[in-house]
Amino acid sequence: QKEVEQDPGPLSVPEGAIVSLNCTYSNSAFQYFMWYRQYSRKGPELLMYTYSSGNKEDGRFTAQVDKSSKYISLFIRDSQPSDSATYLCAPGGSYIPTFGRGTSLIVHP
Amino acid sequence: DTAVSQTPKYLVTQMGNDKSIKCEQNLGHDTMYWYKQDSKKFLKIMFSYNNKELIINETVPNRFSPKSPDKAHLNLHINSLELGDSAVYFCASSKGGTPTHEQYFGPGTRLTVT
Repeated sequence: QKEVEQDPGPLSVPEGAIVSLNCTYSNSAFQYFMWYRQYSRKGPELLMYTYSSGNKEDGRFTAQVDKSSKYISLFIRDSQPSDSATYLCAPGGSYIPTFGRGTSLIVHP
Repeated sequence: DTAVSQTPKYLVTQMGNDKSIKCEQNLGHDTMYWYKQDSKKFLKIMFSYNNKELIINETVPNRFSPKSPDKAHLNLHINSLELGDSAVYFCASSKGGTPTHEQYFGPGTRLTVT
């Protein structure tokens, strides 16, 4: 089993939809949970950062962590075409940086 | 003002050649990283330096050699390039010495080996 698993997609949704992106991990040592967004031909950039189980909201984005089931989610409300990108989950806390392979999201007008 | 910069942005070269990629960060961070992102978008750590000291060295062929002349620079030299080295290479930096800190990525260097 890979340490971090994400469905690569692509996930295609209409503008205005609620998007749910998910990630599972296997290492119980992970304590910090990050989501990075990567636009085509660009480097990843941090989108959300959370320390613990529960929800964290930032504008249209909500990160949800369930440590008991090792499940991480990112919700995007009122999705926009500008949200079209690849979203990588990155649980942290172990010595080696770990990234999921990312889910490609396409929001069409 | 660019936080993490890489040169060159594109690199096309033939098998067997030696090439270098340069990275600079102006964020005052202590830790810098090299990642390889393959065609399936999988982002994999290669090396990490903290205060010019190598702290992460993943299972990377010896043909790859990182060099950190100072905290703000981390270069990657690749000898005897192979077709499988074709990928996008990202440099990143972070404030702390562990990957729990936010990483700032450069724009990437797209390497094509023919």
